[in-house]
Amino acid sequence: RKEVEQDPGPFNVPEGATVAFNCTYSNSASQSFFWYRQDCRKEPKLLMSVYSSGNEDGRFTAQLNRASQYISLLIRDSKLSDSATYLCVVFPGGGNKLTFGTGTQLKVEL
Amino acid sequence: SQTIHQWPATLVQPVGSPLSLECTVEGTSNPNLYWYRQAAGRGLQLLFYSVGIGQISSEVPQNLSASRPQDRQFILSSKKLLLSDSGFYLCAWGPGTRGVGGQFFGPGTRLTVL
Repeated sequence: RKEVEQDPGPFNVPEGATVAFNCTYSNSASQSFFWYRQDCRKEPKLLMSVYSSGNEDGRFTAQLNRASQYISLLIRDSKLSDSATYLCVVFPGGGNKLTFGTGTQLKVEL
Repeated sequence: SQTIHQWPATLVQPVGSPLSLECTVEGTSNPNLYWYRQAAGRGLQLLFYSVGIGQISSEVPQNLSASRPQDRQFILSSKKLLLSDSGFYLCAWGPGTRGVGGQFFGPGTRLTVL
């Protein structure tokens, strides 16, 4: 089983739609969680950290379910500019390394 | 604010040639530094990381090496490139231990080995 698993997509959604991505992680001792966004041929950029209580940043909501070991990202009112690959990232604990999922591709269409 | 620089942005090299990629960070001290590679259509592969000057941890045995000669400088090198070394090389810095705060990436170097 991979340490971090994501549905690769692509998710093709119309502008204005709500879309949700899930990510599962294998290490129950994992301590920190993040969502990154990567545009085509660009570097990944930190979108948001994920906290146990759930957190929201504008149209983006991230949630963590430790019991089921999954993280979710909800995007409301999708914009064309949201088209990108979304990476789920986990700090498994110990050392200084993050574990990256392979990403879920989102395409927002007119 | 912190800034991370990488150069060159793109590079085309023949098989067997040497490689040197440089990464520098501004606006922070004693950062954790990382080198990743992303092959076309693939996920990020951690190559090396460093928690301090002269301290390098290698994640993948291969023909690449890394050095950290100064606190905010991280260099990726190879003596002889292979075709399989082609990819998008990303340098990242992290503000601390325990993964707190995540990592922040430079703009990357796109390397093509012919």
